[in-house]
Amino acid sequence: NAGVTQTPKFQVLKTGQSMTLQCAQDMNHEYMSWYRQDPGMGLRLIHYSVGAGITDQGEVPNGYNVSRSTTEDFPLRLLSAAPSQTSVYFCASSYSRIAKNIQYFGAGTRLSVL
Amino acid sequence: ELKVEQNPLFLSMQEGKNYTIYCNYSTTSDRLYWYRQDPGKSLESLFVLLSNGAVKQEGRLMASLDTKARLSTLHITAAVHDLSATYFCAVVSNTGNQFYFGTGTSLTVIP
Repeated sequence: NAGVTQTPKFQVLKTGQSMTLQCAQDMNHEYMSWYRQDPGMGLRLIHYSVGAGITDQGEVPNGYNVSRSTTEDFPLRLLSAAPSQTSVYFCASSYSRIAKNIQYFGAGTRLSVL
Repeated sequence: ELKVEQNPLFLSMQEGKNYTIYCNYSTTSDRLYWYRQDPGKSLESLFVLLSNGAVKQEGRLMASLDTKARLSTLHITAAVHDLSATYFCAVVSNTGNQFYFGTGTSLTVIP
């Protein structure tokens, strides 16, 4: 199994550009989520999904959109990139939000916005 | 909003020594997680603590949970260089939907 796959691994954007970070999991997990990691701030939840067609906002959703059309995929869209969105982005999934299962994390996408 | 605090933020210790990392959280949660992150890498799950008084051990690491004090500890016994990493604790909201992470403890074990 590949687990949680994120693409791209690195990306440089100019302010105002848009892009989509891809996340796919092959474990048939219900719950998927996006985090950003900034120095000294741990990981902060951006958006999450408890199943196909269901998404909700996390702690820091502004400037980001998500959709969940299939169980496997959970893309994160930056609508108009800003330097404040320079960060490392992690996608994670778990079998169920109710069960005591752990989250499995992707390798991360390192994004720089100039 | 649930807040999670870890201390210390940075820890440098010699091989063979013992130390404890602390994780405090602000509101009731029925699950607490510990993760490890190596530099430039993703997060790897270490422990899930599900109830008051829960204790889990793996090798030189032992985690415990006191839900009444809203405190979890990660105890390192006889540290070795391979334990050098950043350790995060995380708690889940009562709805089970949102995870809140601590700021992380960067551990360096000096040979």
